[in-house]
Amino acid sequence: DAGVIQSPRHEVTEMGQEVTLRCKPISGHDYLFWYRQTMMRGLELLIYFNNNVPIDDSGMPEDRFSAKMPNASFSTLKIQPSEPRDSAVYFCASSLQGATNEKLFFGSGTQLSVL
Amino acid sequence: KQEVTQIPAALSVPEGENLVLNCSFTDSAIYNLQWFRQDPGKGLTSLLLIQSSQREQTSGRLNASLDKSSGRSTLYIAASQPGDSATYLCAVSTGGFKTIFGAGTRLFVKA
Repeated sequence: DAGVIQSPRHEVTEMGQEVTLRCKPISGHDYLFWYRQTMMRGLELLIYFNNNVPIDDSGMPEDRFSAKMPNASFSTLKIQPSEPRDSAVYFCASSLQGATNEKLFFGSGTQLSVL
Repeated sequence: KQEVTQIPAALSVPEGENLVLNCSFTDSAIYNLQWFRQDPGKGLTSLLLIQSSQREQTSGRLNASLDKSSGRSTLYIAASQPGDSATYLCAVSTGGFKTIFGAGTRLFVKA
């Protein structure tokens, strides 16, 4: 398996524009997580899905952020409108966590810069 | 609310030294604890996973221990090498399989 695949690797956009980040989890994994990493706040959990259903979105900072998982192999994180303070690295991770002994696998991340 | 703390924030050691990284968490009701490695500009790689019923896990020169009752874990790295230089993050999986991370320890191993 190719692992968790995220696109794009880098995104530079202007304030006010819509940004869409994409993620393909590892095949067969039933949990998908979106994280944001900044120097100031570290790695923050934004939202996670189980079997394509959002379970906990309490980490989503504002209504400008939304996430979807239309099927088991694809998820998106959308920011509309984007602001400079949204600049961060956004990671997607997946896991087979029906048991308690499954590791979390991360993608390479999307470096987002909002000017 | 679960909080994960890692000490020290940064560590610099000479090559060959054995070292210990510390992690503490506030809520002992966890499913598992993982130690991750992150290289600059890269994603995270899970190194070791300790289930809540276990006390330790070993992989090569790495050994992780878990004391759930006291809310502590340690990552022991034996005979450190320059290639071990990275940020090491501790994470706990709680109710609903939510995984919460510490801020990490930045390790630099000098040749």
